Amino acid sequence: ETGVTQTPRHLVMGMTNKKSLKCEQHLGHNAMYWYKQSAKKPLELMFVYNFKEQTENNSVPSRFSPECPNSSHLFLHLHTLQPEDSALYLCASSQEAVGGYTGELFFGEGSRLTVL
Amino acid sequence: KNEVEQSPQNLTAQEGEFITINCSYSVGISALHWLQQHPGGGIVSLFMLSSGKKKHGRLIATINIQEKHSSLHITASHPRDSAVYICVKDSNQFYFGTGTSLTVIP
Repeated sequence: ETGVTQTPRHLVMGMTNKKSLKCEQHLGHNAMYWYKQSAKKPLELMFVYNFKEQTENNSVPSRFSPECPNSSHLFLHLHTLQPEDSALYLCASSQEAVGGYTGELFFGEGSRLTVL
Repeated sequence: KNEVEQSPQNLTAQEGEFITINCSYSVGISALHWLQQHPGGGIVSLFMLSSGKKKHGRLIATINIQEKHSSLHITASHPRDSAVYICVKDSNQFYFGTGTSLTVIP
């Protein structure tokens, strides 16, 4: 138990579906992240939220839409995805200090997404 | 060129062996992280270090800032150490290595 909880753990969806991934952290951290991990590739940063404000969007297609209603919760809304979007989506949090020092990362277990 | 290079990509060891995984990075860092990812996908942070050496149980991480190099050592390896080990450079944003897949055989 890392203090970061992701649901669902597995999701299968069609290309026309709308679904959401949820992440919750109980660590009091002020920064939350969505990462994508495709097979045999390094983790790719998708979105960063710092103090609930989106500070980074790594050229992610608009079919992925993040939402951060408060500093403990992060969502990734999925709409009209493509089969190549099938991957493991990982949420992480950290206590980000002023000046860019990011602090230790705590990851959730990941949500394995399959797009048919 | 990747910001972070790890070697080896794959490693198989006999139980009890001493294991070393290497990480080289470009330019400066605020800190370097070592992560462990189990087959189910969950990731655990093992170390965060910016200088010297840290030890936690059978795991040791070292970093040489001048040489831009870090190593993760596992002493008396065990099958439960089988996982992917990921080196992460932290320099205002995270840069992830591709990981080293370790299999420890009983």
